[in-house]
Amino acid sequence: GAVVSQHPSWVICKSGTSVKIECRSLDFQATTMFWYRQFPKQSLMLMATSNEGSKATYEQGVEKDKFLINHASLTLSTLTVTSAHPEDSSFYICSALNLAVAKNIQYFGAGTRLSVL
Amino acid sequence: GNSVTQMEGPVTLSEEAFLTINCTYTATGYPSLFWYVQYPGEGLQLLLKATKADDKGSNKGFEATYRKETTSFHLEKGSVQVSDSAVYFCALGDYSGNTPLVFGKGTRLSVIA
Repeated sequence: GAVVSQHPSWVICKSGTSVKIECRSLDFQATTMFWYRQFPKQSLMLMATSNEGSKATYEQGVEKDKFLINHASLTLSTLTVTSAHPEDSSFYICSALNLAVAKNIQYFGAGTRLSVL
Repeated sequence: GNSVTQMEGPVTLSEEAFLTINCTYTATGYPSLFWYVQYPGEGLQLLLKATKADDKGSNKGFEATYRKETTSFHLEKGSVQVSDSAVYFCALGDYSGNTPLVFGKGTRLSVIA
C-alpha cells in the first residue's frame, strides 16, 4: 500500500524556537495533504488542507502565521511551528490523498510528537 | 454538517472475546465510511472501508457493514487478541473524496490475556 513518511517522529525544542515537520508520500503523488493535531486521548483535529502549488486552507481557530504550511511538490508538504510555546506541545499527524488513484483513501504518516520546554 | 459518533471507551476485553464498537453517522449524500486503528505512539492505519450501502468492509478478522437505514457502521471482531489493543476511529468522507475525513472521538480497546 501507499506509504507516507513523516519526520521527525519526536522533537523537543525550547520555547521561542521554530520546528519544521516534513510529510512525504513515498510511492505516489499526493494531490492533497492534510495536517491534524491530536491531544492526548482525543480525536484528530484538522488544522489545514494543503494542495500542491497553492496556499493552504486553514480551519477556523488555527493561526496561519504560527503554523506555516508549504506544499511545494506532489510528494512533500511541510508544517513549521513558529515561535513554539509549551501549549503547542502535541502530536501532529499528516495524511496524503491522490484522487486519481483512490478516492477518499487517506494515507497517514506515523506522526510527530512535539514537546516544547 | 457531517458528523460521526462512536461509543465511548475504554473497552476492556479478555482475549478471544467478541468485540463490537458502535459507530453512527450523520451526513448528506452518500458518504464513504472508514475504520482506522492507531497503535500506541503511532499514526493511523486504515483498517477497513465501505463506499456504499450494504457494503461490508473486512480486514484482519474485523468487519463492518455500511447500514444506510440505521446510519451505522459498527466494527466487530469475533475473537480479539492482545495485539488488537489500540484506539479505533470511525471516520466519514464525503462523495467528492477531496475533503478531509470527519473522525469520531476514538475508542480505546484493551485486550487482556
